[in-house]
Amino acid sequence: DTGVSQDPRHKITKRGQNVTFRCDPISEHNRLYWYRQTLGQGPEFLTYFQNEAQLEKSRLLSDRFSAERPKGSFSTLEIQRTEQGDSAMYLCASSSPTSGSYNEQFFGPGTRLTVL
Amino acid sequence: DQQVKQNSPSLSVQEGRISILNCDYTNSMFDYFLWYKKYPAEGPTFLISISSIKDKNEDGRFTVFLNKSAKHLSLHIVPSQPGDSAVYFCAAGGGGKLIFGQGTELSVKP
Repeated sequence: DTGVSQDPRHKITKRGQNVTFRCDPISEHNRLYWYRQTLGQGPEFLTYFQNEAQLEKSRLLSDRFSAERPKGSFSTLEIQRTEQGDSAMYLCASSSPTSGSYNEQFFGPGTRLTVL
Repeated sequence: DQQVKQNSPSLSVQEGRISILNCDYTNSMFDYFLWYKKYPAEGPTFLISISSIKDKNEDGRFTVFLNKSAKHLSLHIVPSQPGDSAVYFCAAGGGGKLIFGQGTELSVKP
């Protein structure tokens, strides 16, 4: 399977705990994006990387959220001191101009976070 | 502010007929538009896209139309099949992040 993979698929945690999610993009895709989706809404942009450089962060990304892509391959998204409002599906996507356009982003299956 | 809007939360169509899903946007800086299909508990799947320099793009049963003056795009599915039942999101971008609409749930009845 050469698609975008995310781990874990589901995470249940208690309020105040830290959680970390991992995303492995499509091989050789140099852009990697994080989105968050809540029920009844479309995905909302959080941040994206080109190689290891973080190029843009949404104002949705509070200081409790941090994302890294240290070697320009996989990425991690950490949420510290989780709150119930953080419960959502966290989606990762990747893109490359060689597979059409940077705009054509291919999504992983998502990580469903539930904060109790 | 909602820069990309899908005003119909749901649409029901008979198998074999045409499905038309609509999307409006407000930001004239968007230069690329996409449609994604999403099943429950899965990530969105890319369907079809169109650049702002075109007004139509076809891929099999799927056609996307772009009306830049009206800031409106639509997705036509002909003929509709029961397997097309899913939530459809339109998205707009300019080379970086994508801005998504709220989604339209399509139900294709046999």
